[in-house]
Amino acid sequence: DGGITQSPKYLFRKEGQNVTLSCEQNLNHDAMYWYRQDPGQGLRLIYYSQIVNDFQKGDIAEGYSVSREKKESFPLTVTSAQKNPTAFYLCASKEDRSSYNSPLHFGNGTRLTVT
Amino acid sequence: AQSVSQHNHHVILSEAASLELGCNYSYGGTVNLFWYVQYPGQHLQLLLKYFSGDPLVKGIKGFEAEFIKSKFSFNLRKPSVQWSDTAEYFCAVSNDYKLSFGAGTTVTVRA
Repeated sequence: DGGITQSPKYLFRKEGQNVTLSCEQNLNHDAMYWYRQDPGQGLRLIYYSQIVNDFQKGDIAEGYSVSREKKESFPLTVTSAQKNPTAFYLCASKEDRSSYNSPLHFGNGTRLTVT
Repeated sequence: AQSVSQHNHHVILSEAASLELGCNYSYGGTVNLFWYVQYPGQHLQLLLKYFSGDPLVKGIKGFEAEFIKSKFSFNLRKPSVQWSDTAEYFCAVSNDYKLSFGAGTTVTVRA
């Protein structure tokens, strides 16, 4: 089955540590996205990538970094600079990167807790 | 920057009641509109979308939404809800490569 795999499902870290969230897709989609979901705020875009070796900041990129070395992988690093990192993180992909009406396919998410 | 507003944070209904969830967006140009649903324990999935043509679009599971350009709205409706419609519903708008989401509405359907 094709899909998006995010791992791990739950992640715990101490404050001050960087942590990397994994996102892998076997849908052969060009575009990939990272969103953060907080109660009452919906989904906010962190970073997105339209193609390998290229990515752009979303609305709340501060304190995060990404890489896109392979088409199927788009890992997100939550750095110690992120002021409020505890959240639910969702990875998504889109088949047609040039289409504005192509829907997103989402992974199951990673819940990060930083104490 | 575009923004998306969902009017209700939490809606509680009984089975067979009608549902309408409001969604307004701020961008004035050509937009593509989506409703996504997240059932408990499941990933977000597309319910329906509008990008052109008939402003009344039908989606899965008996849902429909109406695009009213003059009101910048894309409200979601279902005439008769079921217990299995309990979920969180997100409106989303795209006018470029990014998709902007509303804050979501939690719908609880009581048997």
